[in-house]
Amino acid sequence: AQTVTQSQPEMSVQEAETVTLSCTYDTSESNYYLFWYKQPPSRQMILVIRQEAYKQQNATENRFSVNFQKAAKSFSLKISDSQLGDTAMYFCAFMKLSGGSNYKLTFGKGTLLTVNP
Amino acid sequence: NAGVTQTPKFRVLKTGQSMTLLCAQDMNHEYMYWYRQDPGMGLRLIHYSVGEGTTAKGEVPDGYNVSRLKKQNFLLGLESAAPSQTSVYFCASSYSRQTRHEQFFGPGTRLTVL
Repeated sequence: AQTVTQSQPEMSVQEAETVTLSCTYDTSESNYYLFWYKQPPSRQMILVIRQEAYKQQNATENRFSVNFQKAAKSFSLKISDSQLGDTAMYFCAFMKLSGGSNYKLTFGKGTLLTVNP
Repeated sequence: NAGVTQTPKFRVLKTGQSMTLLCAQDMNHEYMYWYRQDPGMGLRLIHYSVGEGTTAKGEVPDGYNVSRLKKQNFLLGLESAAPSQTSVYFCASSYSRQTRHEQFFGPGTRLTVL
């Protein structure tokens, strides 16, 4: 079974600064996806960024980028130029792609990020 | 295009009562999932479906049943609610190849069992 660990229950950052959220995972699989989802106070789950394990290049989406270290099984999220609207719970998630996985997500416990003005 | 909708948004039950949560999606997705979210626990998979007429157990299935009689709907049932089932419930759907495995989530249902 896969496990996803987010070691930072809470973090805070000043507006316009950069923050990095950590995620590690444990798997014996070679074919998988990794995701970061954001959950603002509205409770809606929103996809922030995804990374295919077979791609060496780190994914980027505007101010959001990841540092994917496959050998170390690490998948951190960097938020640049933090904005007040980035205040949310952030979840790291793993999806196995092989062996009848049925594309289920395994989530970490989340990191609550607060952006301060 | 409403995406994924959930009914109801809030509900309070007494121990032993039953209820059904409805999830509907209008994106013609094959896969649908039910998760529960508890403080400090992240989201955990209850049951899922890979197509109309199919269901399977997830990580925490005890006390819940599901049905997928129509492709667009996925129902989650609690036959005899317990306080341990107080949680926020999320439904999600996906169509893996075309959307690169993204799961689209509903707005959630907050359930309190007294």
